[in-house]
Formats: sequence, C-alpha cells, structure tokens
Amino acid sequence: KQEVTQIPAALSVPEGENLVLNCSFTDSAIYNLQWFRQDPGKGLTSLLLIQSSQREQTSGRLNASLDKSSGRSTLYIAASQPGDSATYLCAVGGAGNQFYFGTGTSLTVIP
Amino acid sequence: ETGVTQSPTHLIKTRGQQVTLRCSSQSGHNTVSWYQQALGQGPQFIFQYYREEENGRGNFPPRFSGLQFPNYSSELNVNALELDDSALYLCASSLPTGAAEQYFGPGTRLTVT
Repeated sequence: KQEVTQIPAALSVPEGENLVLNCSFTDSAIYNLQWFRQDPGKGLTSLLLIQSSQREQTSGRLNASLDKSSGRSTLYIAASQPGDSATYLCAVGGAGNQFYFGTGTSLTVIP
Repeated sequence: ETGVTQSPTHLIKTRGQQVTLRCSSQSGHNTVSWYQQALGQGPQFIFQYYREEENGRGNFPPRFSGLQFPNYSSELNVNALELDDSALYLCASSLPTGAAEQYFGPGTRLTVT
C-alpha cells in the first residue's frame, strides 16, 4: 500500500522567506502527484499537478519537483506572504484510481 | 465554468442514524471521488464513480455506499453512523484517466453524537 509522508508537520517563517516543503512516497509506480492547499475547515485548492513523466511544474511563486526513482517531491514557495498561511497537502495518484494523501504541512507566515 | 459543489455544508447526526451527502461535479467532468478527512489527518479515499458504476474503493466498510446519476452528480450514503464517522467529507471531480487532475469541493462537515 502506498504511504505518503510530509515533513515538516509544521513550519513558521517570517514574511519574504523562501521555503521548501517535502513529500515522500513508498511506491514509485504513480500516475501523477498533486499539491493542494487547505485553509482551516475548507476544501482543497489545487496548486500544481506533475505527471509521472515530468520533473517539475511552476505556477507563479510556486515550483514543484518530482523524483519518482527516489520517491520524493518538493514544493518550493518563493518570497512567502502571510496569505500563504495554510496546510499544504501532497497527493499521489496511483492504482485503483485513487489519490493517497500525506497528513500535510501546516505553514504560518509571520508578517 | 461551474466548480464542484457539495451539500449540506454542516450536518449533525446521532449514532446509528443514516446520512446522505451530495456532490455536483465540475462542468465537463464525469468522474467523482469521495474522501473522508478526520481532524488533523490527510483525506482518505472512500470510492470513485464513473459512468454510474463504482470504479475503485478504499478501505471502508460496506455501510459506506454511493450513487452517481446521469448528470454525473453523486451521493455518499453512510448507514449505522458511528462516532468515528465524524469528519469532513470531500468530493472531487475529474476526467476519467488515472493521470487526471482532481478538483475538490468545499466539503461537508459531519458530526456524529
């Protein structure tokens, strides 16, 4: 069974800092990997989707990379802002048409 | 383009009761997946529906069941509610490929007392 781990569980940074969130998974036979943002008590907002054949995707201040062979993905956030404060979840798309989620990294950006 | 919608927003039920949650998929999407997210945890896959048939199921008991309608909307039914069923229930819609991006609705917060 696919296991997804996210480190760190929580992160607090001052505004303007660049930061990296980590996601690791145990089974490299994946279709894709998707990063989401979740505000407290809310649904998930898709940030970036990386197909299994891709190495990275970029959207604005966000850059996500994927290394299937080592079972790792990183989400890089440049010039962090207080509005970036949220929980960030990574999800791996695999067999059985399901996504396997990590438990998330709770990010706080201090003004 | 209409996004994924879910109803109701919040629901309080008593242990042993039954509940039905509803989801309307994003325009053009014919695949719907349901997830359960307990407090402080990542979402757990319940099942997926495509062409009105169950198309994959996670590790949930049979008292969790679903339906998909011809307009691609979907229902999640939970019978014999237990206290541990208290969670945020999320619906996601997508195109029917294993590599498709998933779009989530705002969720239904279910509390079982």
